[in-house]
Amino acid sequence: AQTVTQSQPEMSVQEAETVTLSCTYDTSESDYYLFWYKQPPSRQMILVIRQEAYKQQNATENRFSVNFQKAAKSFSLKISDSQLGDAAMYFCAYRSRQGGSEKLVFGKGTKLTVNP
Amino acid sequence: ETGVTQTPRHLVMGMTNKKSLKCEQHLGHNAMYWYKQSAKKPLELMFVYSLEERVENNSVPSRFSPECPNSSHLFLHLHTLQPEDSALYLCASSLNRREGTQYFGPGTRLLVL
Repeated sequence: AQTVTQSQPEMSVQEAETVTLSCTYDTSESDYYLFWYKQPPSRQMILVIRQEAYKQQNATENRFSVNFQKAAKSFSLKISDSQLGDAAMYFCAYRSRQGGSEKLVFGKGTKLTVNP
Repeated sequence: ETGVTQTPRHLVMGMTNKKSLKCEQHLGHNAMYWYKQSAKKPLELMFVYSLEERVENNSVPSRFSPECPNSSHLFLHLHTLQPEDSALYLCASSLNRREGTQYFGPGTRLLVL
């Protein structure tokens, strides 16, 4: 079974600075998706960024980028120029691309605080 | 975000009550999901529907009963719940079973007394 580990329960960053959230996963599969979701206090789970394992290029979305290291099974999220609105719980998630399971496997989350 | 909506947003119920959670997606997706989010635990997948057919049921107690009348609507019927069922219930949808990106609704915060 796949597992996702987020080793940082809490992180903090100063506004306008950069922060990196860690995620590692365990799988025997070669083809899969990885995601970062953001859950602010409003509780809405919002997709931040997505990576397909067959793509070597790291995904980027504006101020958000990932460092995908497939061999190391590592998928970290970098937030540049942090803003107060980035404060939220961040969840790393894994989903197989192989048949049989649509399940997203989530990590326990990292609570990000942005200090003004 | 209006892609996936959920009602009610908050619900308090007694253990003998019957209530239903509703989810509606406006994205033209064919797959819908129920997740449970409890404090201090990762999100847990409860049910998966694809084209109104239940395709996955992750050992959920029978006091939770899903219903998917069409590809845009998903319900979770609740009956004789326990206090440990108090949690945030999230609905999600994706284009189909193979398309990996799931989009979530705002959730229903459930408290069972």
